[in-house]
Amino acid sequence: DIQMTQSPSSLSAFVGDRVTITCRASQSISSYLNWYQQKPGKAPKLLIYAASTLQSGVPSRFSGSESGTDFTLTISSLQPEDFATYYCQQSYSTPPTFGPGTKVDI
Amino acid sequence: QVQLVQSGAEVKKPGASVKVSCKASGYTFGNYYIYWVRQAPGQGLEWMGVINPSGGSATYAQKFQGSVTMTRDTSTSTVHMELSSLRPEDTAVYYCAKGGAPYYDFGNWFDPWGQGTLVTVSS
Repeated sequence: DIQMTQSPSSLSAFVGDRVTITCRASQSISSYLNWYQQKPGKAPKLLIYAASTLQSGVPSRFSGSESGTDFTLTISSLQPEDFATYYCQQSYSTPPTFGPGTKVDI
Repeated sequence: QVQLVQSGAEVKKPGASVKVSCKASGYTFGNYYIYWVRQAPGQGLEWMGVINPSGGSATYAQKFQGSVTMTRDTSTSTVHMELSSLRPEDTAVYYCAKGGAPYYDFGNWFDPWGQGTLVTVSS
């Protein structure tokens, strides 16, 4: 199975901050990397698919990029509703695997 | 709008089975794969398997081979996930999710997700 790691595991930030979360795959996954946001007690929500494609309806302050097996989720200006846990997921091979998550809090 | 609505919470004893349903609406049911993902309390996300609602074929994570069965009912646009031989460590929220792109599984993403079903396994 492809292992996904995320850093940091948690971070504290202020409203308006630029936040960057990194996800690394244990092997090449091309651009088959997706990002989800999960708030407490809620189901995950898709933010970005195929490494950099913004899902319809997701604010443009979210963006994704890639460099080899490293992927980055950036929130350009953190908003109060963005405090949540973020997961990356590879869809290059079965089984799809998730990173352990990054918790973003105030 | 596209929506997945799951069945309600369950409490089961060790060794029992549980069947969770996921009713789809707002799109052509047979065109998109349905995935199952679980999340133990305070833990991350774990993929369990996927079903093709068109033909009914399913692929399961190795960990769940022999204990999970995914089926679909095209007349009601519903997918079912049955987990048998339950153990306390199966206590989790179980989610279904629709594949983001139609007709294939490879490279797909999960959108949207159902609201989740809490399954508690306790004696």
